[in-house]
Amino acid sequence: EDQVTQSPEALRLQEGESSSLNCSYTVSGLRGLFWYRQDPGKGPEFLFTLYSAGEEKEKERLKATLTKKESFLHITAPKPEDSATYLCAVRPISSGSARQLTFGSGTQLTVLP
Amino acid sequence: NAGVTQTPKFRVLKTGQSMTLLCAQDMNHEYMYWYRQDPGMGLRLIHYSVGEGTTAKGEVPDGYNVSRLKKQNFLLGLESAAPSQTSVYFCASSSGTGGFGDTQYFGPGTRLTVL
Repeated sequence: EDQVTQSPEALRLQEGESSSLNCSYTVSGLRGLFWYRQDPGKGPEFLFTLYSAGEEKEKERLKATLTKKESFLHITAPKPEDSATYLCAVRPISSGSARQLTFGSGTQLTVLP
Repeated sequence: NAGVTQTPKFRVLKTGQSMTLLCAQDMNHEYMYWYRQDPGMGLRLIHYSVGEGTTAKGEVPDGYNVSRLKKQNFLLGLESAAPSQTSVYFCASSSGTGGFGDTQYFGPGTRLTVL
């Protein structure tokens, strides 16, 4: 069974205090790993897609990395506006033509001014 | 482009009542999905469609039905609502042409409470 586990469940940082969020996964065969940002009361917003171990992608203060068992979302010098829930999802080979995603339960990030 | 829109935004039902949630997308996407989001459980797939006139079951389909009569619309129906269906419902769509990298874009959600 495909599984995605995110840690920690919640993280509080001071503005400027860098940290990392973890997404560990167990899938039959990974065809893509996705990161989304979700603000309270809104739908998830796409951030990154990673396909293979060693791949990295960056956007402003965020950098996503991928290994064979997990992905990290590194947040450098965060600002209060980075506060949100960050969701990780995997697309396993078993998703076939439907291209379904399996989501983790998210990490709620709070950045204090 | 409005992207993915959902109506209504909020709804309160009594046990046993029925309702339909509407999802509309203006991106000419082939694939559409319905998810529910519950605290601590992440997003779970209810039903999905890979094209107009097609539907298929996801991870948690019991108690729900769907229809995709038009390419731009995907309807989620609850025939007899139960308190266990209290949740936030999200619709998503994707082009269907991006291979395994096909990105799903989400609507703003519908918050449903069943009393």
